[in-house]
Amino acid sequence: AQSVTQPDIHITVSEGASLELRCNYSYGATPYLFWYVQSPGQGLQLLLKYFSGDTLVQGIKGFEAEFKRSQSSFNLRKPSVHWSDAAEYFCAVGPYNTDKLIFGTGTRLQVFP
Amino acid sequence: DAGVIQSPRHEVTEMGQEVTLRCKPISGHNSLFWYRQTMMRGLELLIYFNNNVPIDDSGMPEDRFSAKMPNASFSTLKIQPSEPRDSAVYFCASSLAGQGNTGELFFGEGSRLTVL
Repeated sequence: AQSVTQPDIHITVSEGASLELRCNYSYGATPYLFWYVQSPGQGLQLLLKYFSGDTLVQGIKGFEAEFKRSQSSFNLRKPSVHWSDAAEYFCAVGPYNTDKLIFGTGTRLQVFP
Repeated sequence: DAGVIQSPRHEVTEMGQEVTLRCKPISGHNSLFWYRQTMMRGLELLIYFNNNVPIDDSGMPEDRFSAKMPNASFSTLKIQPSEPRDSAVYFCASSLAGQGNTGELFFGEGSRLTVL
C-alpha cells in the first residue's frame, strides 16, 4: 500500500538552529516526492519536489531535501531556521502525471527566539 | 494573479442541514481536488476532477457527500444531510497536471465547517 510517514508530530527549535524533518514513504513504483508547508489559517504551498536526477533538491525559502532510495526517505532540511518558518510541514508522494498525492500527517514546527 | 478561491471561509450549521462549499480554480488549470483536513485523519483526498470530469471519488466518505464541476471555473462540494463528524477544514486545490507539471497543487485558504 502507498503511504507516507512523518514520525515527528511536533518539533521545537531555536531560531538560527538547523532543522531536519523526517519523511519515509512506501510506494510501489518510482516515487515522486514533495514537501508542502501550511501556515496557520492558510492552504498548503509547495516547497520543493523530486522527480529524478540529483537526489538533493533545492526549494524555496532556503529549504532542501535529500532522496535516499535505500532508506525510502525524503528528509527536509534547513541550515538556519527563522521565526517565520513556524508552520506545519507535509511530505507527499504521488504518481507522475496525475497529481493525486498522498500526504503524510504533518510535522508542526515551533521556533523559539 | 488570483489564486484558488473558496467560499465560504467559515460555515457553522446544525446537524441535518445541507452544506455547499464552492471553489474557483486558477484559470487554465485542468485538475481540481477536494481535500478534507482533520486533526484525527490529517489531509484526505475526497475527489479529483480532470478536465471537469470526476476521475477518482474513492475518498468520498459516503453518499451524503457529492461534488460537481459544471465548468472549468467552478466546483461545488455538497454535504446533505450534514453531521457533526463532518466538521473539518475543506480545501480545494487546482493544478496543471500532465506534461511534466506534476506535483504543484495550488491550494485555496480552505472552508472551515462546524456542524453542531
